[in-house]
Amino acid sequence: DQQVKQNSPSLSVQEGRISILNCDYTNSMFDYFLWYKKYPAEGPTFLISISSIKDKNEDGRFTVFLNKSAKHLSLHIVPSQPGDSAVYFCAASEQTGANNLFFGTGTRLTVIP
Amino acid sequence: DSGVTQTPKHLITATGQRVTLRCSPRSGDLSVYWYQQSLDQGLQFLIHYYNGEERAKGNILERFSAQQFPDLHSELNLSSLELGDSALYFCASSVEPGNTIYFGEGSWLTVV
Repeated sequence: DQQVKQNSPSLSVQEGRISILNCDYTNSMFDYFLWYKKYPAEGPTFLISISSIKDKNEDGRFTVFLNKSAKHLSLHIVPSQPGDSAVYFCAASEQTGANNLFFGTGTRLTVIP
Repeated sequence: DSGVTQTPKHLITATGQRVTLRCSPRSGDLSVYWYQQSLDQGLQFLIHYYNGEERAKGNILERFSAQQFPDLHSELNLSSLELGDSALYFCASSVEPGNTIYFGEGSWLTVV
């Protein structure tokens, strides 16, 4: 049973525009959410996180929004750059306890120059 | 470079065989996690060790086992290998549960 879902396997965006990647989760016990970026033949790289006590967290061009009532989070990249082309994984965990990350299946972002 | 080291990077073996994947966590990290990524699949959590003790189990098959040693490195043992076990196996570490998890580059396992 997939507790974290990324329903869009791929997304293409023009350079300079906004990229919006979406993620839904089913487990109401999740209280910590992360986005990882993965290039081919490399391990996932931590990008940004958000705790359930917040609804927005920003780091440079990357902003994560959390809507707890809808069990939905999104990652906004503004402006998108060709180097952002990668697979983006959404992950969630219960921060208290074992802190096991549950991952979505990923969204492949292609930024077109 | 995340600081998490995995060996080997690539491994090809036959069905029925046994392999061991090795992971050295980042310096100072006490938690080690193992994940499996199969074709078209997301990252599936296998097992978590904290300071030498098993902390949680995920979708880990009985043919698979892991351990974390006193020096905090970890090994994932895969036995009676099947074609479906072909995947990318990631190790990750964190200072302790609740902190950000950092991933190694993965070990590609191909079972033929």
